[in-house]
Amino acid sequence: DQQVKQNSPSLSVQEGRISILNCDYTNSMFDYFLWYKKYPAEGPTFLISISSIKDKNEDGRFTVFLNKSAKHLSLHIVPSQPGDSAVYFCAAKPQAGTALIFGKGTTLSVSS
Amino acid sequence: GAVVSQHPSRVICKSGTSVKIECRSLDFQATTMFWYRQFPKQSLMLMATSNEGSKATYEQGVEKDKFLINHASLTLSTLTVTSAHPEDSSFYICSARPQGQGAGYGYTFGSGTRLTVV
Repeated sequence: DQQVKQNSPSLSVQEGRISILNCDYTNSMFDYFLWYKKYPAEGPTFLISISSIKDKNEDGRFTVFLNKSAKHLSLHIVPSQPGDSAVYFCAAKPQAGTALIFGKGTTLSVSS
Repeated sequence: GAVVSQHPSRVICKSGTSVKIECRSLDFQATTMFWYRQFPKQSLMLMATSNEGSKATYEQGVEKDKFLINHASLTLSTLTVTSAHPEDSSFYICSARPQGQGAGYGYTFGSGTRLTVV
């Protein structure tokens, strides 16, 4: 059973608007959540993370929100740019482990 | 920033042969590296955790005799796919985190290796 879920396989947004990417998790024993961006045939690139003791972290155009009661996190990109078009992966690190567990990814398409 | 170099980026091999993939941390030391596998439109699935100087820890369902992992130094881990078959064709990616760096700073990934077994 998947512990990290990204239920939307794709998202299309117009340039300048907000992109909201969602992620749900089932295990309460994660201590960090991370977002990665990935282009085809390349490795993922780290974007932003959030500790489980926080509810928001912001870095430039990227903001991650964590709702622990709902076991849900989201990545907001504002304003969206065509260069943001990629696959976005949500990942979580178990408290008792070191390896990241990934969701299936959401393909974001930003049109100009 | 931390850089992980993965080589080769693409390899085509004949069924029954073995293929070695290298993962190097260029500007940091990593006692632990991670090997993932990604099928088309699927998640990155953790295959094993590579530990410097000791045996790798494999995830359930991953054949340790087929996917040999060696972590001989603090900057190099290798994954050897032995007796490769077409079903082993996939995208393999390694990852590492600098020693002493917290998880919140992210893990660095290699650029991946596209393996095609014909």
